[in-house]
Amino acid sequence: AQSVTQLDSQVPVFEEAPVELRCNYSSSVSVYLFWYVQYPNQGLQLLLKYLSGSTLVKGINGFEAEFNKSQTSFHLRKPSVHISDTAEYFCAVSLSYNAGNMLTFGGGTRLMVKP
Amino acid sequence: ETGVTQTPRHLVMGMTNKKSLKCEQHLGHNAMYWYKQSAKKPLELMFVYSLEERVENNSVPSRFSPECPNSSHLFLHLHTLQPEDSALYLCASSQVTGATYEQYFGPGTRLTVT
Repeated sequence: AQSVTQLDSQVPVFEEAPVELRCNYSSSVSVYLFWYVQYPNQGLQLLLKYLSGSTLVKGINGFEAEFNKSQTSFHLRKPSVHISDTAEYFCAVSLSYNAGNMLTFGGGTRLMVKP
Repeated sequence: ETGVTQTPRHLVMGMTNKKSLKCEQHLGHNAMYWYKQSAKKPLELMFVYSLEERVENNSVPSRFSPECPNSSHLFLHLHTLQPEDSALYLCASSQVTGATYEQYFGPGTRLTVT
């Protein structure tokens, strides 16, 4: 079975600073990888995904992530954060062959952007 | 309406009540999901319906009963719940016969069991 670990439960950062949110996964087979964001009182919104091809993936709101197969990581980065980026971020993995597109989520990282 | 909608957005119910949560997707997808999101716990997948058939039931207590009458609608029937069932219940949908793989989420129903 696959699992996802988000190493930081909270990440405080000042506005306009860069940020990296870490995600590691374990799986014995190939996977697809996703980052979702959840703003207060809302559902999850897809930020970006890695299915195949280039290991650097660009998403919405200026976020990007890099797939590193040897380190089984998929860290999320943004070069300059805004107050509006304050939210909960979830990394998720899906086995590349699974009926139902089922996802396994990490525990989430709360990004707190301070002025 | 666009995307995935859920009603009601908030629900307070007693332990002896029976209520239902409703989810509707307007994306033409063929799979739908129920998740439970509790404080300080990872998202828990409860049920999956793919092509209108249940493919996953992650050992969810029988006081939760899903229903998927067609590919656009999903219900979660609730009865004799416990206080620990208080959580945000999220619905999602995806297209299992395409090449996209991601799920689209509704805003959730905040359930409080008293």
